[in-house]
Amino acid sequence: ETGVTQTPRHLVMGMTNKKSLKCEQHLGHNAMYWYKQSAKKPLELMFVYSLEERVENNSVPSRFSPECPNSSHLFLHLHTLQPEDSALYLCASSPRELIPGQPTREQYFGPGTRLTVT
Amino acid sequence: ILNVEQSPQSLHVQEGDSTNFTCSFPSSNFYALHWYRWETAKSPEALFVMTLNGDEKKKGRISATLNTKEGYSYLYIKGSQPEDSATYLCAWENYGGSQGNLIFGKGTKLSVKP
Repeated sequence: ETGVTQTPRHLVMGMTNKKSLKCEQHLGHNAMYWYKQSAKKPLELMFVYSLEERVENNSVPSRFSPECPNSSHLFLHLHTLQPEDSALYLCASSPRELIPGQPTREQYFGPGTRLTVT
Repeated sequence: ILNVEQSPQSLHVQEGDSTNFTCSFPSSNFYALHWYRWETAKSPEALFVMTLNGDEKKKGRISATLNTKEGYSYLYIKGSQPEDSATYLCAWENYGGSQGNLIFGKGTKLSVKP
């Protein structure tokens, strides 16, 4: 157990649906991340939040909308997804806020949500 | 294109064998190199974060070395056990890149047979 939980673990949705993925950590971390892993591809960073502010958006389509209401919770809102968005979505957190000029600490990952878009 | 390459893609060893695999990354603008271990149906787990050229880190039977000038890191497992079976990921963090932006390799999948 890493201390990072994700719900749901599996999700099947149609292209017209709206759903949300949830991530929760009570490790006292101040930075949180969303990653995507598609088949045969490496983990790809989608979004980074530090102290509840978005600091990175890696050219992710607007049909993915993150939300970080507080330092313990992170959401990924999904709408009008495409079949190619089917993937494993991982959430992670790291021990402190991201400070310019300093490398990040190790990241603690959740177990992921397996998303299938039909 | 900023690529992180890991080799081999997969590896099958017998229990008790020692093994190693490689992570290659761009040598310019280096900040940190992360190693993670990912067992099937579990969460990726951090092994090491390395920042200094020549650094060597160890956790039990697993160790890692870092060469930032030539852009590679080795992960070593001594006396492999079946519970070491997992995918080992490395991730490169570059100076001047966006904060927290780790670029991952595809991983090396290790299977240890009893």
